[in-house]
Parts: sequence; C-alpha cells; structure tokens
Amino acid sequence: DQQVKQNSPSLSVQEGRISILNCDYTNSMFDYFLWYKKYPAEGPTFLISISSIKDKNEDGRFTVFLNKSAKHLSLHIVPSQPGDSAVYFCAASDPGTYKYIFGTGTRLKVLA
Amino acid sequence: SQTIHQWPATLVQPVGSPLSLECTVEGTSNPNLYWYRQAAGRGLQLLFYSVGIGQISSEVPQNLSASRPQDRQFILSSKKLLLSDSGFYLCASGASGYTGELFFGEGSRLTVL
Repeated sequence: DQQVKQNSPSLSVQEGRISILNCDYTNSMFDYFLWYKKYPAEGPTFLISISSIKDKNEDGRFTVFLNKSAKHLSLHIVPSQPGDSAVYFCAASDPGTYKYIFGTGTRLKVLA
Repeated sequence: SQTIHQWPATLVQPVGSPLSLECTVEGTSNPNLYWYRQAAGRGLQLLFYSVGIGQISSEVPQNLSASRPQDRQFILSSKKLLLSDSGFYLCASGASGYTGELFFGEGSRLTVL
C-alpha cells in the first residue's frame, strides 16, 4: 500500500521555465510534508517543507502548495536551472509514529 | 543542524556473508533514527526506525535487523546476505518528539554478488 505517490517518473523542462512536481497521499493523519532533492550515490538534500495547517510555503525559487481536501501537494521551481536536474522525492510524516514515508521520486531534467 | 556519518560508503559482499552498516549522529540528542533503502531505480523504502535506545520498529519483513546500542548510534545488520539485499542504504535522523526536517547521511552502496 503506497501511502505517498509520485505518478510522474520523469519530467523535462526548458531552462527558465517553471517545473511542477506532483505528489499524492492517502493518509489524512500526515502532519508535515517535505521535498528532497537527490543526486546518484548521495544522500537526499532537504529543499522545502510545509505543515498540514498551511497551504503554501515559499523559499526563493521553490514553492510548495498543499491541497488537503485533494490530498495533493506540488513543488514549483521558478525559474528552472540546469543545476536543478536531479531526482525529487516528496515525503510525509506521521505524528503518531514519527515515520516518514517517501514517494517513488520524479527525475527532473532541465534542458539548457 | 545535524550531521549524519555513515560507513562504509561502499561494500561488495558475497551471498551468505554477514553485514554491518553503522550510522552516528552529531548535533542533537535523543533523535529519532531511520534506515532507508533505495533499490536500483526505486524510491526510498523505510526499513527500520527507532525513537529511543533499544527501541526498534521494523517496516518490512526481511533478513535484515537493526540495533540502537547508544543514543546516537544506529546499526543495520544481516547474518546472511541475499542478492536482493543489494541497494543504496541511507541513515536518517529527525528531532525527538515532533516531526520536522529529516537529515540524511551520504549513504552506503551495498552490492551482493
């Protein structure tokens, strides 16, 4: 049972345009959502997060939107840069168990 | 912020051999600790997590085990490795008592031949 899903395994975007990465979840008890960036053979790097009591959080070029009624979150990267090319994981945390459940990742390729 | 140390970084082991991956955490006390595995082309699968010394929760039935002998030390072990144990293993640490940012180590690449 995949509680956190990233249905797009890959995404290609032109440099300077917007990248939108999507994530869906099933457990309404999740209270915190995070996005990580990962390069091959390295540990994931934290990008941005959002609490379940908010619907938007912004940090520089990165914005995360949360739609609780749809159990959906998205990460917007504007403008996209070639250095943003990596695999992006969304994650959700369960406050009752302190578990963090990750999606399967979306590989973003930003074309110069 | 926290710093997560993992070792060894790379390991090649024959089928049936034992395994020990170690993880230590700096910059916090009483963290929640996690072991994840990323198989080739796959997402991050939660294997074990611990909210305190000696407290281990297992997520996936397998021939791996975890132990937490000290507050900031987390060990992943196996008595006999299988081919399917190959993958990229990640240790992570989160703050005690609430859910917030999760910090990751650099990972350990295990190849079972």
